[in-house]
Amino acid sequence: AQSVAQPEDQVNVAEGNPLTVKCTYSVSGNPYLFWYVQYPNRGLQFLLKYITGDNLVKGSYGFEAEFNKSQTSFHLKKPSALVSDSALYFCAVRDFRDTGRRALTFGSGTRLQVQP
Amino acid sequence: GAVVSQHPSRVICKSGTSVKIECRSLDFQATTMFWYRQFPKKSLMLMATSNEGSKATYEQGVEKDKFLINHASLTLSTLTVTSAHPEDSSFYICSARDRTSGSSYNEQFFGPGTRLTVL
Repeated sequence: AQSVAQPEDQVNVAEGNPLTVKCTYSVSGNPYLFWYVQYPNRGLQFLLKYITGDNLVKGSYGFEAEFNKSQTSFHLKKPSALVSDSALYFCAVRDFRDTGRRALTFGSGTRLQVQP
Repeated sequence: GAVVSQHPSRVICKSGTSVKIECRSLDFQATTMFWYRQFPKKSLMLMATSNEGSKATYEQGVEKDKFLINHASLTLSTLTVTSAHPEDSSFYICSARDRTSGSSYNEQFFGPGTRLTVL
């Protein structure tokens, strides 16, 4: 079974400061890892993914995430937060060996609030 | 980029009626679509996997007779909530995978969601 943990319900950061949204995962095999962002009453927008290769993955809107296999983490980061980054962020995982269902397992979500 | 639409975006219905939600992939073909349910301030819970031309695969605890899924074509999947009750009120989101992509790990493309309110 696969699972994702996002330990923080909410993260508050001042505009211009760096931000980190934490995510840890558990899978039997090697993971495919994803970050999505959700704005109010909207669907999910893809930010970035880790499949293989460099541990540091760069994605949309200046976001990046670092895959750490030993700590089973995939924290989302941005060097300088914008007020418009305020939204709900979801980390998701899929076991690469799951060639059947291929569904994603989502974390509980972290609300990012960027203060002006 | 790949676009997934959902219709309607918002629906209010009376208890006991049935509601159909459509999920369409607009610029790609999707062999597989997924239906999720999201409760307020909660994560997405996978309800079922919809496969074109075959029966949907439901997650444990999801009533297949209540949540009817039909994947009639490579661009359309429908979710029908039958005999809806107030506890079915939720945000329903679909996603689709591009069948033409050579990658086995391509990301899912999500629809904008449908908010169902059962009175």
